[in-house]
Amino acid sequence: DQQVKQNSPSLSVQEGRISILNCDYTNSMFDYFLWYKKYPAEGPTFLISISSIKDKNEDGRFTVFLNKSAKHLSLHIVPSQPGDSAVYFCAASAKALGAAGNKLTFGGGTRVLVKP
Amino acid sequence: SQTIHQWPATLVQPVGSPLSLECTVEGTSNPNLYWYRQAAGRGLQLLFYSVGIGQISSEVPQNLSASRPQDRQFILSSKKLLLSDSGFYLCAWSPGGYNSPLHFGNGTRLTVT
Repeated sequence: DQQVKQNSPSLSVQEGRISILNCDYTNSMFDYFLWYKKYPAEGPTFLISISSIKDKNEDGRFTVFLNKSAKHLSLHIVPSQPGDSAVYFCAASAKALGAAGNKLTFGGGTRVLVKP
Repeated sequence: SQTIHQWPATLVQPVGSPLSLECTVEGTSNPNLYWYRQAAGRGLQLLFYSVGIGQISSEVPQNLSASRPQDRQFILSSKKLLLSDSGFYLCAWSPGGYNSPLHFGNGTRLTVT
C-alpha cells in the first residue's frame, strides 16, 4: 500500500514559469513533510519541509503548501530554471514512530524538465 | 560540517556472490543511519535503519542485512545476491530526534548479472 503518492510521473515547464508538483498521502499520522530533489546517479538533496502545524512554508523560489484535510501537499517553484530539471520526491514521517520519528516514506517521484 | 561517504559508486556482481556496501558519516556523533533502495523508475524504499551501535531495524523481508559496528559506520550486506537485488542503494543520516531531514550519500548502483 503506497502511503505517499505522486500521481504525475513527469512535468514539462518553460523557463521562467511556475512548476507545481503534487503529492497525496493516506496515513493521517504523518505530520512532517519534505521535498527532495535528485539528479541522475546522485543521492537526493533536501529542499524544503513543512510541519503539520503550518499550511505554507517558503524558501526562496520554493514554496510548499499543505492541505491536511485533503491529505495533499504541493511544491511550487517560481521562477523555474533549467537547473531545476531533476526528479522531485515528496516524503512524510510521523512523530508517533518515536525513536525512528524521521523514518521517511517517499513518493514515487516526478521528473521535471525545464525548457530554456 | 557533516559529510556522508558511500562506496563504491558502481558495482557489478554475479548472482550468488556476496555483497558489502559501506557508509560512513563525519562531523557528527550518534546519528540515525538509514539504507534505502531505489529500483528502476520507482521511489525510495526504506530497507534498514539504526538509532545506535548494534541497533538495526529491518523494514522489509529480503535477502539483505545491515550492521552498525561503529557509531558512524553502516554496512549493507548479502551472503548471496539475487537478480532482484539490483538497484540504486542510498545511505542516509539524520541527527536523530524529530523534524530533521535525512541527508543522503551519492549512492551505489548495483547490477547483479
